[in-house]
Parts: sequence; C-alpha cells; structure tokens
Amino acid sequence: QVQLQESGPGLVKPSETLSLTCTVSGGSIISGSYYWNWIRQRPGKGLEWIGYVYSGGSSNYNPSLKSRVAISLDTSANQFSLNLNAVTAADTAVYYCARATAALYYFDYWGQGTLITVSS
Amino acid sequence: EIVMTQSPATLSVSPGERATLSCRASQSVSGHLAWYQQIPGQAPRLLIYGASTRATGISGRFSGTGSGTEFTLSISNLQSEDLAVYYCLQYSNWPPGTFGQGTKLEIK
Repeated sequence: QVQLQESGPGLVKPSETLSLTCTVSGGSIISGSYYWNWIRQRPGKGLEWIGYVYSGGSSNYNPSLKSRVAISLDTSANQFSLNLNAVTAADTAVYYCARATAALYYFDYWGQGTLITVSS
Repeated sequence: EIVMTQSPATLSVSPGERATLSCRASQSVSGHLAWYQQIPGQAPRLLIYGASTRATGISGRFSGTGSGTEFTLSISNLQSEDLAVYYCLQYSNWPPGTFGQGTKLEIK
C-alpha cells in the first residue's frame, strides 16, 4: 500500500520560498511509470494542480505558477519536493502531494495535506 | 483548458435517500472522468475513475455514469458519513487535469 506524507514549515514570510517535501512509502518513486504531483487548496476553495515530476525525472507545471515553481526527485530518500518562490498571501493553502499512474492520469493516492500560511 | 462545471453547488438529502450530483465538461473528455470525496478536514479520496469504475474499497452505494461531456455521481441509501464535498476531475487533457468547483452534500 503506497502512502504519501507531506512535511514543511507551516509558516512562510512573504517574498520568501516555500519548500515542501513528500515522503513516499510502500514503493520506490523511480520504479514504474508514475507522476508525482503537488496540488493545493486555498481556504474554502477548490483544488488546483501545481505540477508534477515524473519517475524518470522530467517535470511539468501549471502555466499560472510556472515562473515560480520547481518540483524535483530525491531518489536517495524516496521523496519529491516542491519549491515555490516569491510567495504572497495568495499562496496560503493546504498543499497535498498525490500520485498519478502513467496512461491513467487520475490521482489515486494522496497525502493528508499540510497547511502553509504566508504571513509576516 | 477544459472547464468542469458541477451542479448543484449544495445538495441537501435525507438519510436513506439517493443523491445525484452532476458534472459537465466544456468539451468531450470521453470517459476520462474521476470523482473524489473530501470529508471536512481530510484529503480527497478517489471514488470513481473511468467515469464508472469504483476504486478499491469503495462502497457499492456509489456509482458513476456518463461519457463525453455529461457525468453523474449517484449515492444511494445516503448515510451521515457521506457528508462531504464531491469533486469531479477530467484527465483527458492532461496535464493539467482540471477539477470541478465541487458539490457540497448536506444531510437533512
């Protein structure tokens, strides 16, 4: 059974970089054909896809965030990470990591989410 | 980008009755449609994929129908634990998949 767990700082100051990590257990992030995603949910709002890193290392991002976001693999720790720079209060949200399988593309496994507040 | 529109925004149903939720796509997504349940304070949980296939461990009370641009999620014999927001997701044009705005299901 695959499990995902987000970790991060909880509070980030405006203009700084938000860094989150998703630890994957129950399988290797580089075996098989999987997309490892970040999705966020602003307070009281719906779900917004941020981007993914593929198990082979390539990445793709939401055009609305592309200039500020980077997602990468840490194969030694079986983790993947999100960096979002120049954050503002509009980036306050619950951030989820989630898996999608190649050729299927729906998100089948999710982390429990972590709340990130942007405030000075 | 494909826009997903869910209706109604809020649905109130009595225990034991059936709830019917709708999701419409701005263009055809064939059968590449998933449904998620988000209980307050929890992550979304996959209910249905391929428009009509229940995910592992999902109760038979949940069923999905539709193809192209019109999709329906039905929940029979409604129970208190079904209180949640339900989202549809199209993954025909991926990335990015796009979510609907959600339907909040209330129990009368």
